[in-house]
Order: sequence, then C-alpha cells, then structure tokens
Amino acid sequence: QLQLQESGPGLVKPSETLSLTCTVSGGSISRNSYFWDWIRQPPGKGLEWIGSIYYSGNTFYNPSLKSRLTVSVDPSRNQFSLKVRSVTAADTAVYYCARRQGNSWGFDYWGQGTLVTVAS
Amino acid sequence: QSVLTQPPSLSGAPSQRVSISCSGSSSNIGNNVVNWYQQVPGKAPKLLISYDDMLSPGVSDRFSGSKSGTSASLAISGLQSEDEADYYCAAWDDSLNGLVFGGGTKLTVL
Repeated sequence: QLQLQESGPGLVKPSETLSLTCTVSGGSISRNSYFWDWIRQPPGKGLEWIGSIYYSGNTFYNPSLKSRLTVSVDPSRNQFSLKVRSVTAADTAVYYCARRQGNSWGFDYWGQGTLVTVAS
Repeated sequence: QSVLTQPPSLSGAPSQRVSISCSGSSSNIGNNVVNWYQQVPGKAPKLLISYDDMLSPGVSDRFSGSKSGTSASLAISGLQSEDEADYYCAAWDDSLNGLVFGGGTKLTVL
C-alpha cells in the first residue's frame, strides 16, 4: 500500500522560506505515468494546487505562486520536496503531498497533511 | 472566488439522492477531465471520481459523476450519514495553465 508522509517545520517566520519533504513508501517514486504534487488548504478554506514534479525532474507550477516556488525530487531517497520563499501569513495552511495520475490529473494517494503556520 | 463554481452547502435526508454541481468554462471543464474529491473534516481528501465519470477503486457505486458542456455533477444516491463531508471538483484550466479546484460544497445529512 502506497503511503506518503509530509515532514518539516510547523512554524515559519514571515519573509523566510517554507521547506517541506514528502517521503513515499510502499512504491517507487520513479514509476512511469505518475506525478508527485503539493496541494494546500488554508484553515477553514478550500484546496489550492501548488505544483507538481515527475521523477525525471520536469515541473509544473501554479502560475500565481510560481515566482516563489521550487519543487524538487530525489528518486534515490523516494522523496520530493517543496520550498516556498518569502512567505506571509497568507501561506498559512495544511500542506498535502499527493500522487497524481498523469492523464486524468486525479490525486489518488495523499499524505495526512501538515499544518504550517507563518508567524513571528 | 474560485474558477469552478460549486454551491457552498447542500443537505439531504438519509436514503435521498443529492447532486452537487460544478460550473466552469470552455478553458477548464469544457475541454478537460473533471475529478471529484470527498474530504471528511480533519482528513486528507479522497478521490471519488476521475475522468468525469470513472469511479475510483473501492468507492461505493452510490457515487456517480457526469459532465455536459462546461458543467459537471456529482450525484450521491441512498444518502448515508457517513457521506457528510466537503466535496470538491477539480479540472485543468488551459487559460490559467494550472489545476483549479471548486470552492467546495459542504454536504449535511439531516
């Protein structure tokens, strides 16, 4: 059974960089036709797609966040990561990592989510 | 303001059938597949429907998806208390060049 687990600091100061890692177990991150994505959800609000990466390193970013984002992958560790630069309170959210089916853009496996709060 | 429009809330009695709408445009629903998610409070979303109307493995056949033009719908028949959750539609948007979600619909089982 595929499992995803987010890890990283739960508190980040304004203007600093938010860094999260997703560790995939029970399957290979290098499997063809699947992408690895980040989605976030501000408290009490809806879902927002952040960005996506293929094991080869190809990335897709939400245009509204693109200038502050870096998504990377480490196939040797079966991990992928997210960095969001220059964070503000608006970046406070539960951050999910997920596996995406390539053609349908459906997220079929999700991590449990991790709350990141931006505050001084 | 979400690109995909869903009703904020909906309610139904046990055993009833409800339908959640998702309205978009030619740049998203009209030209790309729609997926539906169920999110129970405090939990990660769960993929219910992909490719507009394909039921995900293990999901009850009380759930069904459909699409016509620039709108999509998720129907739930034989409503049960366990169906009480938030539901989200999602689709790729060609104009925005990104994946967009609907604002979500909170379903209450009376």
